[in-house]
Amino acid sequence: GAGVSQSPRYKVAKRGQDVALRCDPISGHVSLFWYQQALGQGPEFLTYFQNEAQLDKSGLPSDRFFAERPEGSVSTLKIQRTQQEDSAVYLCASSSLAGETQYFGPGTRLLVL
Amino acid sequence: AQSVTQPDIHITVSEGASLELRCNYSYGATPYLFWYVQSPGQGLQLLLKYFSGDTLVQGIKGFEAEFKRSQSSFNLRKPSVHWSDAAEYFCAAALNDYKLSFGAGTTVTVRA
Repeated sequence: GAGVSQSPRYKVAKRGQDVALRCDPISGHVSLFWYQQALGQGPEFLTYFQNEAQLDKSGLPSDRFFAERPEGSVSTLKIQRTQQEDSAVYLCASSSLAGETQYFGPGTRLLVL
Repeated sequence: AQSVTQPDIHITVSEGASLELRCNYSYGATPYLFWYVQSPGQGLQLLLKYFSGDTLVQGIKGFEAEFKRSQSSFNLRKPSVHWSDAAEYFCAAALNDYKLSFGAGTTVTVRA
């Protein structure tokens, strides 16, 4: 595809459920990022991959959040035992290299009831 | 602490009028600076970026931004807005080479 794609676009989960959010970066992009955007706020950095290596996970809010990119392409952000405060839009971005322009996907809007 | 501040939560402007969105940053050193636009249901689109050099940066869709080191500012401008410019605008900074820090955003409404 021409851009970053994310699925699902919308997800409703009951509190305590596990969810998995998928990101397909632009083909060939080495760097992949996850951000969390709460309602009325700017995105906040969660984690960064270079190929399959997770080089920075300093923004993950708790150990319930886990991200992986096993083959250096598609990435999955998993949230275990979801809480209401996890409700947000989760944005994925990719770039050809770290420091280059980050291209964002449309996001997954997660609502935890 | 490193931060990006957008003082204006919401701006309303008439179509054809000029637009200026403010952005201030607080970093120990000059970061890389960016402006993104987000339309409803869409991802963030990069309008322009400043790394170094000329302090007046031209971007897409007729936008420009001026970096002022003395004021720690990176304000976005457009001489004449179009109805399609209604969106949310985010200023962002990166001191490292990858981790973007965003302001809270400014919502722009364009009235006919």
